[in-house]
Amino acid sequence: KAGVTQTPRYLIKTRGQQVTLSCSPISGHRSVSWYQQTPGQGLQFLFEYFSETQRNKGNFPGRFSGRQFSNSRSEMNVSTLELGDSALYLCASSLEGSSNQPQHFGDGTRLSIL
Amino acid sequence: TQLLEQSPQFLSIQEGENLTVYCNSSSVFSSLQWYRQEPGEGPVLLVTVVTGGEVKKLKRLTFQFGDARKDSSLHITAAQPGDTGLYLCAGPVRGGSYIPTFGRGTSLIVHP
Repeated sequence: KAGVTQTPRYLIKTRGQQVTLSCSPISGHRSVSWYQQTPGQGLQFLFEYFSETQRNKGNFPGRFSGRQFSNSRSEMNVSTLELGDSALYLCASSLEGSSNQPQHFGDGTRLSIL
Repeated sequence: TQLLEQSPQFLSIQEGENLTVYCNSSSVFSSLQWYRQEPGEGPVLLVTVVTGGEVKKLKRLTFQFGDARKDSSLHITAAQPGDTGLYLCAGPVRGGSYIPTFGRGTSLIVHP
C-alpha cells in the first residue's frame, strides 16, 4: 500500500513569490492535514481538509491556503513568501480524521526562501 | 507557551543505556500519541495511549499515560543506534475532529 506522497521534496523560492505544494494521501483516506515544522516552533497545525472542505484551521495568516480535490489529493498554497516561511511542510492523512485513527505522514517538502 | 512540554530537549547516550523522555501538560488529554521522526522523513506513529495509567510496550519501548491524563513518558531499554531520532508527543485539542498539538520533541542520539 503506497504511503503519503508529497511533491516536490525540495523547493527554493525568493521573497514575494508564491508556492504550491502537493500531497497524495493513502488510498481510501479522506482526511488530509498540513503542518509546518521549524526548529524554533516545532510542528504546527495549518489546516485539515475532509471531503473537499476545510474542516479545521490553525493560527496562520491568510497567505496560507489549501484545497482538496474529489480524489482526496490536496494542495497547499503560500503567497507572498517571507523568509520566515522557510520550513519543512508535512502532510498527513487518515481515514476520517478522528482521534482514534492514526495519522500517516509524508516525508515533507523542504521549502527554503532566499 | 507550548501546550505539551517535552523533556529533555536533547539526549545523547551510548548504545545499551536506558533512557526516559517526558511529555507534560497542564491540560487533560483524551489521548496522547508518540511519534518518531528520522532525519529527512515524516513522523511515524509509535503508539496511542487513551486510558489514565495505561502502559503499552513496543519491544524495548514502554509508554505510560499518567493517571490524570496530563502527562506521558517513553522509556527505552538498552537503546540502539536505530533508536536515534526525534521523539514527539501529540494530543488532540478539540473534541471533534482529531487536530493534534505537538510537543517540540526530544532529539535522541544513540552512539554505537
